[in-house]
Formats: sequence, C-alpha cells, structure tokens
Amino acid sequence: QQQVKQSPQSLIVQKGGISIINCAYENTAFDYFPWYQQFPGKGPALLIAIRPDVSEKKEGRFTISFNKSAKQFSLHIMDSQPGDSATYFCAASFTGTASKLTFGTGTRLQVTL
Amino acid sequence: NAGVTQTPKFRVLKTGQSMTLLCAQDMNHEYMYWYRQDPGMGLRLIHYSVGEGTTAKGEVPDGYNVSRLKKQNFLLGLESAAPSQTSVYFCASSLGLAGFTDTQYFGPGTRLTVL
Repeated sequence: QQQVKQSPQSLIVQKGGISIINCAYENTAFDYFPWYQQFPGKGPALLIAIRPDVSEKKEGRFTISFNKSAKQFSLHIMDSQPGDSATYFCAASFTGTASKLTFGTGTRLQVTL
Repeated sequence: NAGVTQTPKFRVLKTGQSMTLLCAQDMNHEYMYWYRQDPGMGLRLIHYSVGEGTTAKGEVPDGYNVSRLKKQNFLLGLESAAPSQTSVYFCASSLGLAGFTDTQYFGPGTRLTVL
C-alpha cells in the first residue's frame, strides 16, 4: 500500500521557470513532511520540511505548500536553475515512530538552458 | 566529520552468495536505517535501529538481517542473495530525539547486482 503518492514521475522545465511537484498522503497521523533532493550517484539530502500547523514554508527559491484538508503538499522551485536538476522525493512521518519516513516514488527534474 | 559512510560502493554477487554491507556514522546518532532504492519505487525501509543492540523490521525486511553491535555501525546482511535484491542500498542515521521527528542523513549508497 503506497501511503505517499508523488507526481509527476519526470519534469522538464526551462531555466528561470517554476518547477512544481505534488504529493498526496493517506495516513492522517502523519505530522512531518520533508522533501529530499538526490543528485546522481549520491544519497538523498534534506531540502526543506514542513509540519501541518502551517500552510506554507519558504527557504530561498524552495517553497512547500501544505493543504491539510486535501491531504496534499507540494514543492515549488522558483527561478529553476540547471543545478536544480536532480531527483526529488517527498516523504512523510509521524511522531513516535523512530523518525521513520515513508517516501514517494520520486520526480526526476531536468532544468534546461 | 565524514558523516555516514558505506562500504563497499559496488558489489556483484552470484545467486546464493552472502555478503554484509557496512554503514558507519560519526555523528553520535541514536537511530540508523537501511533502505533500498529501485527505479519507480522510491526508497523503502528494510530495517532500522533505535539504539545499540536494538533492531526492528521495516517495510521490506524479507531476505535481510541486520545487527547494531556498536552505536556507530549498522550492518546489513544478505544470507542467500537473489536477483530480486539487485538494488541500490542506502544507510541513514538520525539524532533520535524522543517525541520528535528529526532529519535523516544518508550515506552515498552501495550498488549491488545479483546475477
């Protein structure tokens, strides 16, 4: 049972454009929603995370939008750059589970010149 | 700080062979995790540990065993490798704060092929 659904599977965006990746979850007990960024040949690294008490979190060009009632959250990358080309994973966790993460299936982002 | 390191980086096995993947962290983290990453399936948790001497099953534990004899090390074993275990394996660790979900830090991965 896939508890976190991620779309799209792949995304091509021109330099300077906005990249948007969406995730939907099923378990209403989830209370922590991170996004991880993975470059080829490397391990994933935390990019940004949000908790459900806020609807948006922004860090530089990266923003998470969170809709608790719809059980959805999304990552927006403003002014996308070629260096942002990577695979992005959304994830979810809830308190008391040893920080275990349930990951989405990933989105491969390519930012073209 | 080296962070999370994994040994080896690459390995090719024949069906039925055994091997052990080593994960080490120098951040004094309590929690450690083993994931496998397969195309189109994201990262799936195999086993995890909340402290030295403890282990627990994750989402896909069958065919794997783990041990955490020292706080800084987490070993993943394959007793009889199968082609279905061809994957990229990632180890991760987190600080382990009770009642709080904290950041997981990942190693560089081990690419395993089982022929």
